[in-house]
Amino acid sequence: RKEVEQDPGPFNVPEGATVAFNCTYSNSASQSFFWYRQDCRKEPKLLMSVYSSGNEDGRFTAQLNRASQYISLLIRDSKLSDSATYLCVVNDGYNKLIFGAGTRLAVHP
Amino acid sequence: NAGVTQTPKFQVLKTGQSMTLQCAQDMNHNSMYWYRQDPGMGLRLIYYSASEGTTDKGEVPNGYNVSRLNKREFSLRLESAAPSQTSVYFCASSDYSRGNNQPQHFGDGTRLSIL
Repeated sequence: RKEVEQDPGPFNVPEGATVAFNCTYSNSASQSFFWYRQDCRKEPKLLMSVYSSGNEDGRFTAQLNRASQYISLLIRDSKLSDSATYLCVVNDGYNKLIFGAGTRLAVHP
Repeated sequence: NAGVTQTPKFQVLKTGQSMTLQCAQDMNHNSMYWYRQDPGMGLRLIYYSASEGTTDKGEVPNGYNVSRLNKREFSLRLESAAPSQTSVYFCASSDYSRGNNQPQHFGDGTRLSIL
């Protein structure tokens, strides 16, 4: 079993749609959680940290369920510029991060 | 704001050649990391340096060596390049002195092809 599992997609959605990505992780010692965004052939960039209470940043909402070891990302009112690969990332309980392979999102007009 | 700077951005090598990928960060972070990313796969950790003066193997260290030259710089060396090392290499840094909840910040990447 992979340490961090994501649906690879692609998710093809029209502009304005709401889309949700899910991620599961296997290490119960993980203490910190993130969503990164990666554009084609570019470096990963931090989208948002994920907190136990859930958190929102504009059109983006992240949720964490520690009991189920499950993380989600909700994107509302999708824009063309949201097209990218979204990486679910958890730490190993110490100082290393484990990256999921990513979920690809394509937003079309 | 430079952040994490990697050089070179592109490189083509012949099998058996050696080269060093350079990485420098100006954020005063104590931890630095080298990853490789292959098509359709997530980032895989090659080596990391939790603090100046220490280095440790990651998930895929074979065929690589690293040097943490000082707090700012962390280099990755391929002693005898092989076609299987064709990949995109990313350097990252983080400040874990502030706690385990710190994200990592990435350089632009080095695209390496080995013929």
